Amino acid sequence: DIQLTQSPSTLSASVGDRVTITCRASESISYWLAWYQQKPGKAPKVLINQASRLQSGVPSRFSGSGSGTEFTLTISSLQPDDFATYYCQLYNNYPVTFGQGTKLEIK
Amino acid sequence: QVQLVESGGGVVQPGRSLRLSCAASGFTFSSSGMHWVRQAPGKGLEWVAGIWYDESNEYYADSVKGRFTISRDNSRNTVYLQMNSLRVEDTAVYYCAKDIYTSSSGWFDFWGQGTLVTVSS
Repeated sequence: DIQLTQSPSTLSASVGDRVTITCRASESISYWLAWYQQKPGKAPKVLINQASRLQSGVPSRFSGSGSGTEFTLTISSLQPDDFATYYCQLYNNYPVTFGQGTKLEIK
Repeated sequence: QVQLVESGGGVVQPGRSLRLSCAASGFTFSSSGMHWVRQAPGKGLEWVAGIWYDESNEYYADSVKGRFTISRDNSRNTVYLQMNSLRVEDTAVYYCAKDIYTSSSGWFDFWGQGTLVTVSS
C-alpha cells in the first residue's frame, strides 16, 4: 500500500506568517492528492484537489503544488481561522490513504 | 444544500454488531460514490470503505475487511456501514463522505458531522 508522510507533525506560527506543509508519497501518485482542513470536533473540509486545484469557495491564500511523490500545501498569510489540523489524502487508489496530519498552532 | 446525517452510533461490547446509517440530501445521491472514514479519539483520519453509485464495486481497508460491509439504498438516499465482530480498536467517530465521482475514486467534497462508536466491555 502507498504511504503518505506529512511534515512537520506540528507547526507553530503567527498570524501573517507564510507556512508550508509537506506530504511525501512512498511511490509516485501523479497528482492524485487532496488537502483537507479539520478543526476540533468538526468534519474535515477539502481545500485543494488534484494537488494544486483550489476547491470552490476556499480562500486564495491556500495553494497546493507538486506531483509524483512530493507535495506541498502553502498558506500565504496565516489568518486566525487557519489554526487547525491539515491532512493530505491519496485518492484514485485503494486503499484511500491519509497522511498522519499536521497540527498548525498559534505561536 | 448538501447534507449528510449519520446515525446509529453508540456503546457496544466487543464482538457485537452495529449498523451505521448516513442519510443524504441536496444532491443526486444515486450518481455519487460514497465513503466511510473514521477517526479514533485524538488520532488522524482513516478511510474505512467506499462504494460506487450503483453498488457495483465496494472497497475496504484491510483493518475492517471481512468484518464491515458498506451498502446503499438509492431509493432512500442512504448509505450504510454494517459493522460485525467489533473490536476495542474500532472505537472512533465515523464520518460518511460524498465522492465527487460516480465511482469512489475521487476526493471527498462533503462530509457528515460524524457519529461516535465506542466498543467497550
